[in-house]
Amino acid sequence: DQQVKQNSPSLSVQEGRISILNCDYTNSMFDYFLWYKKYPAEGPTFLISISSIKDKNEDGRFTVFLNKSAKHLSLHIVPSQPGDSAVYFCAASGWAGNMLTFGGGTRLMVKP
Amino acid sequence: GAVVSQHPSWVICKSGTSVKIECRSLDFQATTMFWYRQFPKQSLMLMATSNEGSKATYEQGVEKDKFLINHASLTLSTLTVTSAHPEDSSFYICSARNRQNQPQHFGDGTRLSIL
Repeated sequence: DQQVKQNSPSLSVQEGRISILNCDYTNSMFDYFLWYKKYPAEGPTFLISISSIKDKNEDGRFTVFLNKSAKHLSLHIVPSQPGDSAVYFCAASGWAGNMLTFGGGTRLMVKP
Repeated sequence: GAVVSQHPSWVICKSGTSVKIECRSLDFQATTMFWYRQFPKQSLMLMATSNEGSKATYEQGVEKDKFLINHASLTLSTLTVTSAHPEDSSFYICSARNRQNQPQHFGDGTRLSIL
């Protein structure tokens, strides 16, 4: 049973527009959430995180929203740039952020 | 900041060989390091968690005698796949963090192919 799901395997967006990547989770014990970006042949690169005491965290062009009641989080990238094209993974963990459970990833393609 | 280096990036070896993979945190002290395995078209699966100076904690189903983990310093952890067989062929990736509730930072992974 997948505890973290990214239902969209791919997303295509025009440069300059907003990219919205979604993630759903089922385990109510998760209280720390992260987004990672991955290029081919490289490890995931940490982008942004949010703890369950918040519903929004912003860092430059990246904003993560957390809806605890819906067990849903999303990553907004504004404005999208061609260099943002990569696979994006959401991840969740319980207390202390030890065991990360990853979603299956969403491939984002930003077209010039 | 927060760079994690993993070496080697790719290794091919014969069945029965033992293979060591290194994971180093280059610009921070990693009190905890994690080892993951990724099968084709699947997400990362945690194998084990290691804290500096203590024994690793393995996830269910991971053979501790098969996958030896050493975390002897705050900047280095090693994973040794002992007597590797073709079914051990996979993508192995490490991560590190300096304290709890901080993000894990990942290495670039090691592709292991056992012939």
